[in-house]
Amino acid sequence: NAGVMQNPRHLVRRRGQEARLRCSPMKGHSHVYWYRQLPEEGLKFMVYLQKENIIDESGMPKERFSAEFPKEGPSILRIQQVVRGDSAAYFCASSPPGGASYEQYFGPGTRLTVT
Amino acid sequence: SQKIEQNSEALNIQEGKTATLTCNYTNYSPAYLQWYRQDPGRGPVFLLLIRENEKEKRKERLKVTFDTTLKQSLFHITASQPADSATYLCALDQWDTGRRALTFGSGTRLQVQP
Repeated sequence: NAGVMQNPRHLVRRRGQEARLRCSPMKGHSHVYWYRQLPEEGLKFMVYLQKENIIDESGMPKERFSAEFPKEGPSILRIQQVVRGDSAAYFCASSPPGGASYEQYFGPGTRLTVT
Repeated sequence: SQKIEQNSEALNIQEGKTATLTCNYTNYSPAYLQWYRQDPGRGPVFLLLIRENEKEKRKERLKVTFDTTLKQSLFHITASQPADSATYLCALDQWDTGRRALTFGSGTRLQVQP
């Protein structure tokens, strides 16, 4: 059973370009979460999605950031017009369906560098 | 909003000793508290989950306690090994309020000396 997959692992973008990060959850998992980790800081929640629905985007910056989890295919975190402050590690996590709280399974992360 | 405090200083211990890491939180008590391990350049790995009505939970050499009165969790690694060296993250969720997002502490780095 493959774990959470993220690609690319490393992404370099120039200021003003778009960054597109992909996440495939574990098989059977229908909940996807995105977190951002700045150097020497903790993980910060960004958004929680289920298939075709954004459930909680309270941690997403109001501008330039968007996320989706289509019916088919991976979840995508999109950052438009990147700035240097967007440089960070972006982690995706997934958890199984159900009403109880479950542990989250994390991917290896995408390290975004904005030059 | 919830704040989580973990000792930001690295914890250095000798192999074979017990490592004890602390997680303190403010505001409301969560329904669940989780501990994760993170190695450099990798994503966090789930270790243990403890519910608010549980005082203690064990898994092999790991033990977690949860004191909702003190608003504190302790994470113990007994008979520590150099392979246990990593950053350990405490995380709380708000599932009972409908939010499944985890709030993480900044982590405590553990270094086990051989």
